[in-house]
Amino acid sequence: GENVEQHPSTLSVQEGDSAVIKCTYSDSASNYFPWYKQELGKRPQLIIDIRSNVGEKKDQRIAVTLNKTAKHFSLHITETQPEDSAVYFCAASYGQNFVFGPGTRLSVLP
Amino acid sequence: NAGVTQTPKFRVLKTGQSMTLLCAQDMNHEYMYWYRQDPGMGLRLIHYSVGEGTTAKGEVPDGYNVSRLKKQNFLLGLESAAPSQTSVYFCASSYSRLAGLETQYFGPGTRLLVL
Repeated sequence: GENVEQHPSTLSVQEGDSAVIKCTYSDSASNYFPWYKQELGKRPQLIIDIRSNVGEKKDQRIAVTLNKTAKHFSLHITETQPEDSAVYFCAASYGQNFVFGPGTRLSVLP
Repeated sequence: NAGVTQTPKFRVLKTGQSMTLLCAQDMNHEYMYWYRQDPGMGLRLIHYSVGEGTTAKGEVPDGYNVSRLKKQNFLLGLESAAPSQTSVYFCASSYSRLAGLETQYFGPGTRLLVL
């Protein structure tokens, strides 16, 4: 089955710096890769997604890149702000479902 | 629109007790999912449904049962609760993956403690 790994598990950056979170997947049939942000005590919410026919997608300060050959995709957050502090999950499609990575706790230090 | 709602928000059970968690969505989504979230382990799929009257097992189905008698509701049952089932449970829903509208919308979660 699909296996999704995510690194790092924790990440601390200074406000204004960039943050990068990387995920790898194992099933070459996966074709949809969403990223979710979960604030403490809240539900996961989609922040950006990418399909396998696209190499990069941007939405303001957030971008996602996909390397299908290497089976990895990354989340890039530029000009980080304190409100970016949260746990971020990547996921990969697997049949009718998704497999999630274990999460990255991002702390943006003022 | 309320989106995805879950009942109850929090529950404490004793080992061996049973309970049902209710998930409801008002977005006319075909797909519904139940996940459990444990520290450091992300979201793990328990069971899912691709339409009214259908259910299927996910990654960690043991000890749970589900039913989807109405399109808008997805029930998760614990017949005999165990301490290992202490977790936060999230329900999610989406349109069909075949429609290319895969975005999952999550409910607020149910925190379950089994003593």
